[in-house]
This record gives sequence, C-alpha cells and structure tokens, in this order.
Amino acid sequence: EVQLVESGGGLVQPGESLRLSCAPSGFSFRSYWMHWVRQAPGRGLVWVSRINTDGSKTTYTDSVKGRFTISRDNAKNTLYLQMNSLRVEDTAVYYCARALDALDSWGQGTLVTVSS
Amino acid sequence: SYVLTQPPSLSVAPGETARITCGENNIGGKSVHWYQQKPGQAPVLVIYYDSDRPSGIPERFSGSNSGTTATLTISRVEAGDEADYYCQVWDRNPDHPDDVFGTGTKVTVL
Repeated sequence: EVQLVESGGGLVQPGESLRLSCAPSGFSFRSYWMHWVRQAPGRGLVWVSRINTDGSKTTYTDSVKGRFTISRDNAKNTLYLQMNSLRVEDTAVYYCARALDALDSWGQGTLVTVSS
Repeated sequence: SYVLTQPPSLSVAPGETARITCGENNIGGKSVHWYQQKPGQAPVLVIYYDSDRPSGIPERFSGSNSGTTATLTISRVEAGDEADYYCQVWDRNPDHPDDVFGTGTKVTVL
C-alpha cells in the first residue's frame, strides 16, 4: 500500500525557518517525481513545488521562490521542504504528493502556523 | 501562470447529475486532472488525463475537455459525493512551468 507521511510542522514566528519531511512507503520512491501542495485554513489547494526523480530539477511557485527549497534523499527515502523567512501567509497544511503527471497519492498533511 | 476558474458551489439532489466546470482560454490543449477532497481529509485523484479513472473510482465519475472548458461529471450523485472538487493542469510554459489548481467547487448533496 502506498503511503506518504509528512512531519515537521509546527508554530513558528515570522522570519523563522522550518523543515518539513515526507516519508514514503509501498513504492519505489526514486522512480517518481514528487510535489508539495499547501492549503491555507478554509481555502483552496495551492501548488508549491516539484522535484524530479534524481533531484536535479526543481520548480517553485512565485510566492516561495528564494525562500523555500525542495530536495530529496533517495538513499534515505525522504522528501524535504526547507522553508526560510516564513511569513504569516505561509500558514497552511502542507501535503506531499507522488506524481505520475497527476498527483495520484497524497499524505495526510502537516500544519505549519506562522504567527507572532 | 494562469487561473483555472471553477464555480464556487453546486447543489444537486441525490440521483441527479453534477457537472463541474474548469475554465481557461486554451484548456482543451492541456491535460486536466480532478481531485475530490472531503472535510479534514487529503485530496484524492478521481480523474486524470481529462477522462481516465484511477482504479477504485466509480464509473459514475467521468471527465471531458475541449476548447475553453474541462468538465467533471458525477452521475447518479450520492450523499458520499459531497466534497470539494479541484481541477489541475501543468502549465508547460518554459518561463513559468507551474502546476496550477482550480479555484475549487463545493458540491452539496441536497
């Protein structure tokens, strides 16, 4: 069974950093592109970032460029999202998702709250 | 990048048909995926590549895409179909190769 488990969320102040992790199981992690998607409370889904299978290609939505970094460690079977210079508007549930073009499997999400 | 416009809400009686639209100037030239999200849960893929269904998704769910509108159709609506639905495309513009989600449609079963 395919599973994705996010961790690392929490409450931080504006300007601080946080690193999210996503632990996959039940499939060959190294064979899939991976994405991060976020959802602010009561709002819709927003795509954040994607990474290719070997980590050599990454893409970001404009609002996080220069602040967030997606990466992966295929040997450790883990996807990461390093989030720096966090803003109040980054408050959201962050989901990792497996991609076969479409996002066919999602984790349950981890909540990031940015507040002073 | 661009905006995928969906109606904010849709109400449908059990047994009827719900049609959820996703609009953009040339969406017919792109591959559209659809997700269902129930309260407190992660999204679930229900249609990919415009009209294909993942295993485990009922045949009542179907999709189409042409011109300026992609459509998710739910036939013989059931109470369990009440959820938010989102369309999604990958904008392959080399300057902005972003994935984009639609604005979302809340489907209420009367």
